[in-house]
Amino acid sequence: GQNIDQPTEMTATEGAIVQINCTYQTSGFNGLFWYQQHAGEAPTFLSYNVLDGLEEKGRFSSFLSRSKGYSYLLLKELQMKDSASYLCAVLDSNYQLIWGAGTKLIIKP
Amino acid sequence: GAVVSQHPSWVICKSGTSVKIECRSLDFQATTMFWYRQFPKQSLMLMATSNEGSKATYEQGVEKDKFLINHASLTLSTLTVTSAHPEDSSFYICSARDAREDHNEQFFGPGTRLTVL
Repeated sequence: GQNIDQPTEMTATEGAIVQINCTYQTSGFNGLFWYQQHAGEAPTFLSYNVLDGLEEKGRFSSFLSRSKGYSYLLLKELQMKDSASYLCAVLDSNYQLIWGAGTKLIIKP
Repeated sequence: GAVVSQHPSWVICKSGTSVKIECRSLDFQATTMFWYRQFPKQSLMLMATSNEGSKATYEQGVEKDKFLINHASLTLSTLTVTSAHPEDSSFYICSARDAREDHNEQFFGPGTRLTVL
């Protein structure tokens, strides 16, 4: 079966750095997405990786290793507004998005 | 970036009534739209994939006679929850894929919160 694993919840301090991991087992791979979702709102796009390596975009970076079925989202200089759920999703061979359950990130002052 | 709208943002209805939710891609043509449902503190659950001009493909366990999907144009898909019951209360989110984009990103609408009394 297809499976996306990510931690349920993480806590970090304002100004710090946090890494959210995602491992996946899917039928085929056409890219991995990270989305941010605030409570009561729809997800918003953060990043897309299809090749191995690190993609940096401001305070957020995303890494992919296809051979390991692994990705992480790195958030630097954490701000209170970064408190949200972070969803990992993989596009499988049928171009269907397979979603992880999301990681709730709690930022403390 | 691409914009997807949903209407209404929230709706409260009585049990047994039908509710229609619209999803529009405002500045691009979406050959494929997706309908998701999300219960509190849970991840998105794909309900169906809607392709313009053809019947929607429903995920296992989703009743197609209860959740009617129509994708009549390249910019509009509708989800009708027929004979709604309290257990249908949820956050319904649509997304649209811009076929011109190389990486198949899905652009999400703001969601519709349905409460069935």
